[in-house]
Amino acid sequence: AQRVTQPEKLLSVFKGAPVELKCNYSYSGSPELFWYVQYSRQRLQLLLRHISRESIKGFTADLNKGETSFHLKKPFAQEEDSAMYYCARYLISSGSARQLTFGSGTQLTVLP
Amino acid sequence: GAVVSQHPSRVICKSGTSVKIECRSLDFQATTMFWYRQFPKQSLMLMATSNEGSKATYEQGVEKDKFLINHASLTLSTLTVTSAHPEDSSFYICSASPPQGAFYNEQFFGPGTRLTVL
Repeated sequence: AQRVTQPEKLLSVFKGAPVELKCNYSYSGSPELFWYVQYSRQRLQLLLRHISRESIKGFTADLNKGETSFHLKKPFAQEEDSAMYYCARYLISSGSARQLTFGSGTQLTVLP
Repeated sequence: GAVVSQHPSRVICKSGTSVKIECRSLDFQATTMFWYRQFPKQSLMLMATSNEGSKATYEQGVEKDKFLINHASLTLSTLTVTSAHPEDSSFYICSASPPQGAFYNEQFFGPGTRLTVL
């Protein structure tokens, strides 16, 4: 199965502290991985994708094929970063539809 | 970006009735839309892939006679929960991907529909 695992359900850090949200995936060729964020009472939205190698809102994520990980990091957390974060990957299938499978999510709380 | 809407945002119904949820792509056409279910404090579980002009593809364990999907046009997919029971109470979310352009293949999510079955 092409799984995505987020080991931490809850994560709390103080404002200004570094934060790392963990994500591991089951090995399967060359995965396409994403981080989605869901702020309180808002819809799920894309935060970043590994192929873009971009930094959004100060967050970065590096694909580590050796460790099959795609951890999300930010050097200085802000209170507005408090949200639910989901790691996701495209399922490899023969069809044209690009189905996503999600990790169980990590609720990040940034304390003042 | 691209916008996906859902209607209604929340619905309460009696056990045994059917409920229809609409998912619309507002500024792009989507040949494929996806329906997810999310239980409280849990992840999104893919229920089915909705294909315009053809039958939906259901994930294992999802009853296709219970959750009817119709993708009647390139901007509208509907999910009908038939003979709803309290265990069907959940948050239903749809998503769609623009088939081309700057956001090609990126999934955009609707705001979700909260279904409560009494």
